[in-house]
Amino acid sequence: NAGVTQTPKFRILKIGQSMTLQCTQDMNHNYMYWYRQDPGMGLKLIYYSVGAGITDKGEVPNGYNVSRSTTEDFPLRLELAAPSQTSVYFCASSSRDRGFTPAEAFFGQGTRLTVV
Amino acid sequence: KQEVTQIPAALSVPEGENLVLNCSFTDSAIYNLQWFRQDPGKGLTSLLLIQSSQREQTSGRLNASLDKSSGRSTLYIAASQPGDSATYLCAVRDTGNQFYFGTGTSLTVIP
Repeated sequence: NAGVTQTPKFRILKIGQSMTLQCTQDMNHNYMYWYRQDPGMGLKLIYYSVGAGITDKGEVPNGYNVSRSTTEDFPLRLELAAPSQTSVYFCASSSRDRGFTPAEAFFGQGTRLTVV
Repeated sequence: KQEVTQIPAALSVPEGENLVLNCSFTDSAIYNLQWFRQDPGKGLTSLLLIQSSQREQTSGRLNASLDKSSGRSTLYIAASQPGDSATYLCAVRDTGNQFYFGTGTSLTVIP
């Protein structure tokens, strides 16, 4: 059981370059999330999805895009990378329980991105 | 907007001590509260999940309580060990399906 898998683990980008951070989960979870973690700032929500074909903005969506074509995958796209996007990015997923109350969140191991 | 605060930001205790980590949140309309552990350079590992209707959850030496009406949760760690050294994060899940995180408590257990 792999859980939530993120790739790559590390990446260095030059200003203006683009890249896609991959996230896949094998738990058949409806909900998926992208967070960024900056030192001393906690985790901030970038985008989230409640199911295939449905995405919504979180607290800090500017400079990012997402898609959710399948239940398993939730890639995060950075267009025109900027130094302010240097951060650690975490993908998470969770299920619904029988009462349709969202349940426990599971996190990937993170992608450490540096924009120079 | 939900605000989550964790106090203290850092804590250092000798091995064997019992300790309490605090988490407070501003909006009591939550689905659940989850405590995580994060080791340096690693991802988040879930420790305990408390649904909004529950008062506490226990797992081994860990006990988490929730007082939704006052917007508070505590994580109690019994008989601390050096391997407990990590950053502990709490997150509340609101009725809009979003998680809000505190900035964490960095715990050091001294052998």
